[in-house]
Amino acid sequence: DGGITQSPKYLFRKEGQNVTLSCEQNLNHDAMYWYRQDPGQGLRLIYYSQIVNDFQKGDIAEGYSVSREKKESFPLTVTSAQKNPTAFYLCASSIGLYSNQPQHFGDGTRLSIL
Amino acid sequence: KNQVEQSPQSLIILEGKNCTLQCNYTVSPFSNLRWYKQDTGRGPVSLTIMTFSENTKSNGRYTATLDADTKQSSLHITASQLSDSASYICVVRRQTGANNLFFGTGTRLTVIP
Repeated sequence: DGGITQSPKYLFRKEGQNVTLSCEQNLNHDAMYWYRQDPGQGLRLIYYSQIVNDFQKGDIAEGYSVSREKKESFPLTVTSAQKNPTAFYLCASSIGLYSNQPQHFGDGTRLSIL
Repeated sequence: KNQVEQSPQSLIILEGKNCTLQCNYTVSPFSNLRWYKQDTGRGPVSLTIMTFSENTKSNGRYTATLDADTKQSSLHITASQLSDSASYICVVRRQTGANNLFFGTGTRLTVIP
């Protein structure tokens, strides 16, 4: 089955620690995205990538970093500079940045602070 | 300012009843509007897309409407089922710009037996 896989489902971060969230898709989509979801707020865009080896900051990129070395993979690193990292993180992909086709979402990673 | 507002924030209905969720937007220039369903602990899944020329579109028990003049959309759920319990998110796409998706905060629907 084609889809997006996020791992791990749950993640805990210690003070001063960087953690990496995995996102893999086998839909052959060019565009990939990372969102943060907090209670009572809409999804907020962290980073997006239109194509391999290219990515752009979204609305709340501070304290996060990404890479796009392969078409199917778009990992997100939450650095120690992100002071409020507790949230539900969603990865998504779409055929293209400007396509009217829907985004396909993974089932998220819930990150908490120890 | 490009915004998407949804109401109500939460809703509880009895199984078998109908309900309507609202989405108002100020996103411009408008391209399309999409409704997503998000089960607890899962990622959103697309239900339907509304373009400028469409007024009504159905997907099973879900019917979406769009009034592009007043910049309002609604999602009507008929004969609700327990499995309809979820958050419903309205997403509006702007015609221009790379960062062109605007998300509402969602309506949390709970269907009780």
